[in-house]
Amino acid sequence: DIQMTQSPSTLSASVGDRVTITCRASQNVNSWLAWYQQKPGKVPKLLIYKASSLESGVPSRFSGSGSGTEFTFTISSLQPDDFGTYYCQQYNSYSTFGQGTKVEIK
Amino acid sequence: QITLKESGPTLVKPTQTLTLTCTFSGFSLSTSGVGVAWVRQPPGKALEWLALVYSNNDQRFSPSLRNRITITKDTSKNQVVLTLTNMDPVDTATYYCAHRFDYGGLDYWGQGTLVTVSS
Repeated sequence: DIQMTQSPSTLSASVGDRVTITCRASQNVNSWLAWYQQKPGKVPKLLIYKASSLESGVPSRFSGSGSGTEFTFTISSLQPDDFGTYYCQQYNSYSTFGQGTKVEIK
Repeated sequence: QITLKESGPTLVKPTQTLTLTCTFSGFSLSTSGVGVAWVRQPPGKALEWLALVYSNNDQRFSPSLRNRITITKDTSKNQVVLTLTNMDPVDTATYYCAHRFDYGGLDYWGQGTLVTVSS
């Protein structure tokens, strides 16, 4: 099984901060990785696909990078609306989600 | 405009089989590269990917649930059906279906349906 490990599990940051989340795959998933944002009681929202491609309509402060087994998700300047839980997802063959990173606004 | 909606029982007993239907509109499951996936989320916990069916009927399953899951598509009805056998209280979750576009992300999701497993 391909395991996806996100770090940190939670983070608290101030508006305007640069925020980085890491996702590590237990085996090579090439660039088949997506990032989602989920707010409490809401459906997940696709932000990034194919490791670094920004989904249409998603603000440019969100970005992704990496390939193989190491991936990074960045919010360049944290905004009040960016609270929620962020998940990575590999889809190299079948698919697996990471355990999530909860982002809180200080 | 792509929409998806899950339907099925809200309560099942342990050992029973769960059958959920995803009814969608705004796309065709005969379009190359497109798929419909099922994802679940236990209350307060992380997302868990379950299964995927592609337009060419290629099917993918979570290794941990492979022996309990079936997924079928009915292109003419715009539906995808998930069955999960031998339900257990740990299978209590909100079950989502989602549209998978050809670059792989799940870009449209249903509202989800909460399924509780209890005797």
